[in-house]
Amino acid sequence: ETGVTQTPRHLVMGMTNKKSLKCEQHLGHNAMYWYKQSAKKPLELMFVYSLEERVENNSVPSRFSPECPNSSHLFLHLHTLQPEDSALYLCASSPLLRGYGYTFGSGTRLTVV
Amino acid sequence: ELKVEQNPLFLSMQEGKNYTIYCNYSTTSDRLYWYRQDPGKSLESLFVLLSNGAVKQEGRLMASLDTKARLSTLHITAAVHDLSATYFCAVDLTTSGTYKYIFGTGTRLKVLA
Repeated sequence: ETGVTQTPRHLVMGMTNKKSLKCEQHLGHNAMYWYKQSAKKPLELMFVYSLEERVENNSVPSRFSPECPNSSHLFLHLHTLQPEDSALYLCASSPLLRGYGYTFGSGTRLTVV
Repeated sequence: ELKVEQNPLFLSMQEGKNYTIYCNYSTTSDRLYWYRQDPGKSLESLFVLLSNGAVKQEGRLMASLDTKARLSTLHITAAVHDLSATYFCAVDLTTSGTYKYIFGTGTRLKVLA
C-alpha cells in the first residue's frame, strides 16, 4: 500500500450506467489528481485539486465529473461512458510544496461494455 | 505544445549489460521525476531531480538532469531480471497555484536471463 487507496480495483460498466471511482489518502497531502492511462498512450492528466479547489480541467469530456469533498477524498463520477473510455484510472496526491513527487494509488481498471 | 519523449519505447537487454533511457522535453522545467510501473500495478517513485546537474543513484539505477539540454537520463548498470518494468519520466510544470506533471511515453524494459 502506498498510502493512496483507490476503490474499486476493477469495474465493468455499461454505457448507460452511472458509477463512481473513489480515492482516499491520509498522507496529509493537499493536492490530488486524476490520471488516465490507456494502452500505448502516455498518462493523461484529467483533473487537479489543490486545497479542495479544482485548479485544472484538462479538456475532459463532461461524462467525467470529479468531486473533492475534503483534502483526503477524491471521486470521479462516471456516466454514459464510451468504450474508448476503458482504461486504468490513477489517483495521485502530493504536498503543496514542489519537489516531493506524487504518490499514486493502485488504480481502477475500468472496462466499458 | 509540450512534448515529453522517451526513447527507446521498448528495450530488451541481457542480464549484466548496461543501458541508458533518455527523456527529452520541449519546455523549460527545472524539476523532473522518474517512476517505475510493474504490470498491473501503480507507479512507484524512483528519483526526484530538483536542479540542473542533479544526479541520483539507487542500486543499479542512476538518474541525471540537464535542464539546459532539456534532457534526463536513467542509466542501468549490470541489469538484473527484477528491473523489468515500464519506466516513466515526468516533467514538473508546476506554476503558481497549479501542480502539474506531464509524463513521458514510458520505456518498457525487459531484462532477459
